[in-house]
Amino acid sequence: DAKTTQPNSMESNEEEPVHLPCNHSTISGTDYIHWYRQLPSQGPEYVIHGLTSNVNNRMASLAIAEDRKSSTLILHRATLRDAAVYYCILASNNNDMRFGAGTRLTVKP
Amino acid sequence: DAGITQSPRHKVTETGTPVTLRCHQTENHRYMYWYRQDPGHGLRLIHYSYGVKDTDKGEVSDGYSVSRSKTEDFLLTLESATSSQTSVYFCAIRGGPAGSYEQYFGPGTRLTVT
Repeated sequence: DAKTTQPNSMESNEEEPVHLPCNHSTISGTDYIHWYRQLPSQGPEYVIHGLTSNVNNRMASLAIAEDRKSSTLILHRATLRDAAVYYCILASNNNDMRFGAGTRLTVKP
Repeated sequence: DAGITQSPRHKVTETGTPVTLRCHQTENHRYMYWYRQDPGHGLRLIHYSYGVKDTDKGEVSDGYSVSRSKTEDFLLTLESATSSQTSVYFCAIRGGPAGSYEQYFGPGTRLTVT
């Protein structure tokens, strides 16, 4: 079973920020929080990851709750190209990354 | 671009025939993975490798075997394909900084077993 909980779907308007939530209440101290996205007919694409502190990269920002039981992926200005399924995953050295159903993000022009 | 290719990209085969899918990487990564993805599901891990001739089972390994005789190639074999193995298969490598466990995926192989 996936160890994270995400909404099935979300909608956003183009050029507006998007906040994608993820709950991971059973996270262990060694688990990294990873986000991937999958565009139609493509393999998953790494987006961002973090352990305890908030993280920023060219694609997105990751906000991690202080107790680490939840996190939020932030796309600062959604584009049509950001329409995808977004997966929140806990990753550690046991090579057991469990992809759940993810959140399907629709971006409206 | 993590330098991952998969072959073939599409294959149709009959029930009971053997099938081998190939994953090739160009960047000398130690860890490689095979996943399957079915409609309405996320990816599920089949097998993974942590070095030449070092492999281990994942969540859905029944009916599959793997081999890794060279760092760059990771083969997935269905000894006797069944219709339940119709799926899209993704290969991945572990990249990124040490300890980050980032995975980078290939383009996928769509396998249909009739």
